Amino acid sequence: GESVGLHLPTLSVQEGDNSIINCAYSNSASDYFIWYKQESGKGPQFIIDIRSNMDKRQGQRVTVLLNKTVKHLSLQIAATQPGDSAVYFCAENRGAGNMLTFGGGTRLMVKP
Amino acid sequence: NAGVTQTPKFQVLKTGQSMTLQCAQDMNHEYMSWYRQDPGMGLRLIHYSVGAGITDQGEVPNGYNVSRSTTEDFPLRLLSAAPSQTSVYFCASSYFSGTGYNSPLHFGNGTRLTVT
Repeated sequence: GESVGLHLPTLSVQEGDNSIINCAYSNSASDYFIWYKQESGKGPQFIIDIRSNMDKRQGQRVTVLLNKTVKHLSLQIAATQPGDSAVYFCAENRGAGNMLTFGGGTRLMVKP
Repeated sequence: NAGVTQTPKFQVLKTGQSMTLQCAQDMNHEYMSWYRQDPGMGLRLIHYSVGAGITDQGEVPNGYNVSRSTTEDFPLRLLSAAPSQTSVYFCASSYFSGTGYNSPLHFGNGTRLTVT
């Protein structure tokens, strides 16, 4: 079936380096994508979103890239910090109604 | 502004017992939803509500009931708990932004349920 998934379950980076977390989606009808960060013992926290009429969106230290041709989504974190260590989820929304489909998550580990 | 509040934080049930997971939000959000999170499976939608008096099923609704009598509260009921319902349960809310999309979901910190 159609789903949202991730290429790498665990990503380990050096503090100060840039991180790239990838996500593949297969539902061509999806038109809104969201990245969430989940720290241990907490609920997911919104990071950044992007609509399908865009291919790039930037926030504070984060950038989301959307490639609709290959159905690929990525989250880039600049100058990764220890506080960025968490599990990151991508999610897709097929329109109004907020029925999100989540990927399985990628754990980001930041080495000091 | 407390956001989304879930109680209890932890719960242990025996098979066949019933219980209600509480969720309350103070942001006047129209949309509320329940997800369960299992290892390696991400978050899966159980039930959702687009406003008081309106509920609908998500991806994995079996074994769970919901009601929405007020904007603020959206309790999740397990009528007869089963070990397969051992999971972490998250409640989330959002508002309708008027652009055709809801605002991003605000999540509570979860209820960790174990059914023995």
